[in-house]
Amino acid sequence: GENVEQHPSTLSVQEGDSAVIKCTYSDSASNYFPWYKQELGKRPQLIIDIRSNVGEKKDQRIAVTLNKTAKHFSLHITETQPEDSAVYFCAASIGNTGFQKLVFGTGTRLLVSP
Amino acid sequence: DTEVTQTPKHLVMGMTNKKSLKCEQHMGHRAMYWYKQKAKKPPELMFVYSYEKLSINESVPSRFSPECPNSSLLNLHLHALQPEDSALYLCASSQQGTGINEQYFGPGTRLTVT
Repeated sequence: GENVEQHPSTLSVQEGDSAVIKCTYSDSASNYFPWYKQELGKRPQLIIDIRSNVGEKKDQRIAVTLNKTAKHFSLHITETQPEDSAVYFCAASIGNTGFQKLVFGTGTRLLVSP
Repeated sequence: DTEVTQTPKHLVMGMTNKKSLKCEQHMGHRAMYWYKQKAKKPPELMFVYSYEKLSINESVPSRFSPECPNSSLLNLHLHALQPEDSALYLCASSQQGTGINEQYFGPGTRLTVT
């Protein structure tokens, strides 16, 4: 089955710096890679995702890159702000029947200091 | 309505109790999911319902019994739980059909088993 590794487990940056979180997956059939942000006591929120037919996707200050050959994908946050502080989970899934069986990485706790 | 809702927010139950968790969405999503999330861990998939039929059961103990009475509602019936079952139980939903569809999470029910 699919296995997703995520690094680093914690990341501390100064406000305005960039943050990068990296994930690797094991199953070459995976075709969907979402990223979720989870603030303390709250639900996971989908912040960006990428399909396997795309190499990069950007949405304002966040971007995701995918290297299918190496089975790597990464989340990039630029100009970080204190409100970016949260736990970030990557996930990978195989699915072409309309629902996704997500396997999550272990999470990265991002702390942005003012 | 663009949200997944869950009730109750918190639940404390003894090991001999029977209780139920409820999840509701009115986005027309036909895939619904139950996840379990322990503290400082990623969500783990428990069950997937597709068009009100159970499609995936991730070898979950029978003391957890899911039910999907209609396309908007998902229940999780709990009986004879163990203290290690204490966790945040998250519901999610996604559209159903061809292609890849994003999953959106509810706020969760924080369950404590005493």
